[in-house]
Amino acid sequence: DAGVTQSPTHLIKTRGQQVTLRCSPKSGHDTVSWYQQALGQGPQFIFQYYEEEERQRGNFPDRFSGHQFPNYSSELNVNALLLGDSALYLCASSLWSQPQHFGDGTRLSIL
Amino acid sequence: AQTVTQSQPEMSVQEAETVTLSCTYDTSENNYYLFWYKQPPSRQMILVIRQEAYKQQNATENRFSVNFQKAAKSFSLKISDSQLGDTAMYFCAFMKHVSTSGSRLTFGEGTQLTVNP
Repeated sequence: DAGVTQSPTHLIKTRGQQVTLRCSPKSGHDTVSWYQQALGQGPQFIFQYYEEEERQRGNFPDRFSGHQFPNYSSELNVNALLLGDSALYLCASSLWSQPQHFGDGTRLSIL
Repeated sequence: AQTVTQSQPEMSVQEAETVTLSCTYDTSENNYYLFWYKQPPSRQMILVIRQEAYKQQNATENRFSVNFQKAAKSFSLKISDSQLGDTAMYFCAFMKHVSTSGSRLTFGEGTQLTVNP
C-alpha cells in the first residue's frame, strides 16, 4: 500500500522562475493539503484540495496556485520565485475527516 | 485564529528514560483535534498520537501518551522507555473540527528531541 509520494525530491531554481511540484495521495484518500516548511520552523498551511476544488487557503500570495486531478493527485505551482520561497514543501493526504498522512517532501532551493 | 506554542526548542534524554514535551494552544473553538507529529532527519512527518477535544480520557499509543488539559489549553507528550529511534523533531498540531470549509493543521515551532545512548 503506497503512501503519499512527492516528486521531485529536490529542485534548484533561480529567482523569477516558475516551479511545479507533484503529489500522489495515499491509496483511498481524497483530500490533499500542501504545507511550506522553512528551515528550523514548523510547517505552514498553503491550501487544501477536495473534489478538485480549493477548499481552504492559508496566508500565501497568489503566486502560489494548485490543482487537483480526478485521480486525486495534486500539483503545487509557484510563479515568480523569490529567495524566500526556499523551503521544504510537504504534501499531506487524508479522507475528509481523518488524520493527514505526509509525504517525504520536496526540497526547493532558490539561487 | 489558532496558535500553537512549543516552549522547548531542544530536549535530551537518556535511553530507556522518560521525557515530556510541552505544548500549549490558543483557540476559541470547542470542538477540535490535537496531534503530535514526529519528523526524523528523513523529513517525513509521522503521526505519533491524536486526541479529540471532546474526549476526557488521555490518548495512549504504546510508549507514547498525552496529558490533555482542555481548560488550561495544554497538550503534553510523554515518551516512556525512550529509544534511539525516537530522536527527531516533534511538532504539536491543532485542527478545528472538520467542516465543509476544510481541515487545515496549525503547527507549533517544534521541539528537537535527542535520545542519548
